[in-house]
Amino acid sequence: KAGVTQTPRYLIKTRGQQVTLSCSPISGHRSVSWYQQTPGQGLQFLFEYFSETQRNKGNFPGRFSGRQFSNSRSEMNVSTLELGDSALYLCASSLGTVSPYEQYFGPGTRLTVT
Amino acid sequence: EDQVTQSPEALRLQEGESSSLNCSYTVSGLRGLFWYRQDPGKGPEFLFTLYSAGEEKEKERLKATLTKKESFLHITAPKPEDSATYLCAVPDQAGTALIFGKGTTLSVSS
Repeated sequence: KAGVTQTPRYLIKTRGQQVTLSCSPISGHRSVSWYQQTPGQGLQFLFEYFSETQRNKGNFPGRFSGRQFSNSRSEMNVSTLELGDSALYLCASSLGTVSPYEQYFGPGTRLTVT
Repeated sequence: EDQVTQSPEALRLQEGESSSLNCSYTVSGLRGLFWYRQDPGKGPEFLFTLYSAGEEKEKERLKATLTKKESFLHITAPKPEDSATYLCAVPDQAGTALIFGKGTTLSVSS
């Protein structure tokens, strides 16, 4: 079974621009979660989607947004990029129907903001 | 506030030298604890889920145990390929997000 895929793998953007990251979950998984990983803060939860609905949201500014499509694929968008947004952005998928949800991670998108 | 603390931050071992990593947590009503392994530049790889105190799970040279306050990841006779960052996490109150510790970076030299 194919794992979680994320595109692109690497991105370089300029401060003030916006960026869209994409995630395809494991086949049959309906929940997609997004995390930001930085050396200082570690892994921090951004938001989680299940069946196209946002079920949970972390403590990030409104510049961070996401959505999920009917095929469970998900995108996250960051507007008005800041230098501090440079990080590894990880997507994780799970069945999403039985708690606790075992989450399986993709390889991540490395975003660098200059 | 739910918190996860891992220790030590870094651990250097010789090949074959067994040791343990610690994950302590403060959550109201634990509903599971997860261990992941992360190699540099890659996403975390799922290792174990532990559901209740006293539970143990094993995979090759790794054994995870859980008490009411903490979890241990025991590494028996490690090899250089076990070098990685090991992360533990617990579900948040909603059960849909994971709260991660900062991880323990393990280096095993031959």
